[in-house]
Parts: sequence; C-alpha cells; structure tokens
Amino acid sequence: EAQVTQNPRYLITVTGKKLTVTCSQNMNHEYMSWYRQDPGLGLRQIYYSMNVEVTDKGDVPEGYKVSRKEKRNFPLILESPSPNQTSLYFCASTYRLNSPLHFGNGTRLTVT
Amino acid sequence: AQTVTQSQPEMSVQEAETVTLSCTYDTSESDYYLFWYKQPPSRQMILVIRQEAYKQQNATENRFSVNFQKAAKSFSLKISDSQLGDAAMYFCAYRSSPQGGSEKLVFGKGTKLTVNP
Repeated sequence: EAQVTQNPRYLITVTGKKLTVTCSQNMNHEYMSWYRQDPGLGLRQIYYSMNVEVTDKGDVPEGYKVSRKEKRNFPLILESPSPNQTSLYFCASTYRLNSPLHFGNGTRLTVT
Repeated sequence: AQTVTQSQPEMSVQEAETVTLSCTYDTSESDYYLFWYKQPPSRQMILVIRQEAYKQQNATENRFSVNFQKAAKSFSLKISDSQLGDAAMYFCAYRSSPQGGSEKLVFGKGTKLTVNP
C-alpha cells in the first residue's frame, strides 16, 4: 500500500530534550516536506527536500533540522525543543510538484 | 510571496443542502495549481479536488466542484447534497508551477465545516 508513515503519532517531551520524528514513504517520491499545523494558522511549511541531499527552508524553519540521506526517509529533528514547538506535524511527499501531496497521519507533539 | 485567504473560519450546513467555501489567493504568476484538502477529526489530510490555472473548465469530483475565477483570484469549493461525513476542516492550497516560482505549497488557515442532521 502506498503511504507516508510518520512516527510517533503522539509525543510528550520536556524542554531541551532532543527528539526526532521519522517520516518514510514507499512511493519513490522525490519531493518531501514537513508542515506544522496550529489552530488559526493553518499549515505552515518547515522544510522541504527536492531530492536526496537537497533540502531547503520553508516558512518556519527556526528550531528544526532535517536530513535527506535516502530518498524514502526525511526525518525532522528538534535539537532543543521549546514549548512554542508544541504542534501537530505532518510529513508529505509527491512525485511531481503539480501533483497532490500524500500526507502522513500526523504527529502530535507536546513540549512542556 | 503568495498568500491564500479563507475568510470563513467556520461554516455550517444542513444535511442534503449545498454549501460553498470561499478561498482567495494573491499571486503574480500566471501558471499555478490550486487544491482543496479535507481534514476530518481523524486529522488525516485528504485531497478533495485540484485545479490547474491554465484550464478554464472548473474541476468536479462527484459532489464537490469548484468555481475558479482566475481574474478575481478566487477558488471556491461547492459541496452539494452535504453528508454528515463531510464535516471536517477544509484547507485551500496554492502551488506554483514547476517551471518557476517557489516549490512551497501555501495553505489557507482553514474553514471548519459542520453538517447538521
């Protein structure tokens, strides 16, 4: 089954404790991206990647890192999480930029 | 930079009735793509419909259709014969064409649709 898999679905952590949210797709998509969703703000792009070893900042990259060492994986790294990074996070991928995105099921992150 | 505006934070409709969700966008590009995504309480993001700006014909997917007004930069979603399962948050989204502009997908802030039985 074609899908984007995010893990974990829920995560509660404390300020400053490094964490990684994993994202994997099995559709051989070149384009992958991360979004955060906050009430009243919609979805905002954090980082995106056009291909292996090619990443670029989205609209809200501060406090996040990504890597694209393999085509299928695009992990989101929070080196030192802060409470303002409490949010719902989505990973997404697509084959071509004019094609719809395939979304993961989201990760609800709470930073206390 | 492109922006997408959904002016209705919340909407409600009676089951079996028709509702229209509005979306406007701002861009200087002539070629681009527009999407409507649905997010039910399960929080999964589901594509509802897409429109290529170079196509004048409005896209239709079963009970869902759009009214695409390129000159007015408007992209509204019409849901006919509303069903309880249509209750969700709806997001309008804009993407530049592959030939130019940003690779970003810009989302509106969403419209929460309630369907009353």
